[in-house]
Amino acid sequence: GDSVTQMEGPVTLSEEAFLTINCTYTATGYPSLFWYVQYPGEGLQLLLKATKADDKGSNKGFEATYRKETTSFHLEKGSVQVSDSAVYFCALGGSEKLVFGKGMKLTVNP
Amino acid sequence: NAGVTQTPKFQVLKTGQSMTLQCAQDMNHEYMSWYRQDPGMGLRLIHYSVGAGITDQGEVPNGYNVSRSTTEDFPLRLLSAAPSQTSVYFCASSYSEAVGYGYTFGSGTRLTVV
Repeated sequence: GDSVTQMEGPVTLSEEAFLTINCTYTATGYPSLFWYVQYPGEGLQLLLKATKADDKGSNKGFEATYRKETTSFHLEKGSVQVSDSAVYFCALGGSEKLVFGKGMKLTVNP
Repeated sequence: NAGVTQTPKFQVLKTGQSMTLQCAQDMNHEYMSWYRQDPGMGLRLIHYSVGAGITDQGEVPNGYNVSRSTTEDFPLRLLSAAPSQTSVYFCASSYSEAVGYGYTFGSGTRLTVV
C-alpha cells in the first residue's frame, strides 16, 4: 500500500539556519503530496501541497517540489525562525486515504 | 468561522468506562475522519465518513464506534476504555473524499485511560 518515509528527528537549529526535511513516498498512480505542521498544543495545519509532478508548493517561506523521478517531496526553508518550532508531517493522498509520515520535531533556538 | 471543533480537550477515564469524543464542523464538508496520534507512530486512521449515514473503518478501528447522522457531526465512541487507547485524538474534515483537497483538523482531545 501507499506509504511515506520522512526524517523523524528531533532536530534543533539556530535561528536563520537552512532547513531541509526529507520525505519520500511509495504509491500507485499519481498521488497528491502535502506538508502539515503541528504547533505545540494544536492540531495539524496544512502548510503546502502539490498535486502533480514538478509542482512546487510554497507557503510562509517553506517550499517543496513534487519529484516523481525520485518519489520525493522534501521541505525546505532558507532561514528558519523561532516561530517555526513545531512538528512537521509529510502526507500522501493517493488511491487510499491520506497517509502520514511519523512526523519530525523541529526546535529553533534564538 | 469555527472550522473543526473537538470536545473535550482533555479527559481521564478509568479502564472499562465508556465515553464519546465530539467533533463538529461548520464548513459543510462531506468527508470526516478520526485519527489517533501516538509517539513514534504518526497519525493512524480510526474511522471515516464520506457523508451522512455512511461510515467505514480505517487502520485501527477496534474498540471504537462512529455514526454520522448529520453532515456537521461525527462523534467517536469508546465502548470500554483500555490503557492502550491513551492517545491524542484528532478529527479532520474535507470538502471531498478526493485527497487532493487536504484536510482541516481540530485541535485534538488528549485522552488518558488509567
